[in-house]
Amino acid sequence: EVQLLESGGGLVQAGGSLRLSCATSGFTFSDYWMSWVRQTPGKGLEWVANIKQDGSERNYVDSVRGRSTISRDNAKNSLFLHINSLRVEDTAMYYCATESPLSPRALDFWGQGTMVTVSS
Amino acid sequence: QSALTQPRSVSGSPGQSVTISCTGTSTDIGGYNYVSWYQHHPGKAPKLIIYDVTKRPSGVPDRFSGSKSENTASLSISGLRDEDDADYYCCSYAGVYVPFVIFGGGTKLTVL
Repeated sequence: EVQLLESGGGLVQAGGSLRLSCATSGFTFSDYWMSWVRQTPGKGLEWVANIKQDGSERNYVDSVRGRSTISRDNAKNSLFLHINSLRVEDTAMYYCATESPLSPRALDFWGQGTMVTVSS
Repeated sequence: QSALTQPRSVSGSPGQSVTISCTGTSTDIGGYNYVSWYQHHPGKAPKLIIYDVTKRPSGVPDRFSGSKSENTASLSISGLRDEDDADYYCCSYAGVYVPFVIFGGGTKLTVL
């Protein structure tokens, strides 16, 4: 059974930083592009970042580029997202997800999310 | 790029059918046949239920179907069941440049 479990969220002051983790099991982690997606309170979903299977390509949405780093540890089947200079507008539930090999950027398995709250 | 437009809510009684629309532009929905739909029960992991406009992943019942016409995609659910009560999000591939995909704002389906 495919499982993704996010952790690392919490309450942080604006300007601070957080490292989100996503522990995975039940599939060959190193075969998949991985993404982070966030859901802001009362709003919809927003793709945040993704990383290629070997970590050689990383992409970010404009709003986090320059202050975020996505990384992975294929030996530990884990995905990470480090966000610096946190802003109130970064407050969201953060999900990790696998990118489907069947369709460009479709997200076929997700975790339950970890909540990040940034206070002013 | 702006979020795709979905109705905020739809409802139906058990056994009935409902359709959720998702409107985009020629640079997302209209430009590619890569629309996906996700079902989300709050507190749980979102679930992929449709990809490539019409395809269903293994295990998704055929009560769920997708379609597209120009810049609008649709998700239809027939034979509504209580467990279909959830939020539904559409998503479209938007090209080779970030953000790659655009989501809709979500539709709350209430099974009456």
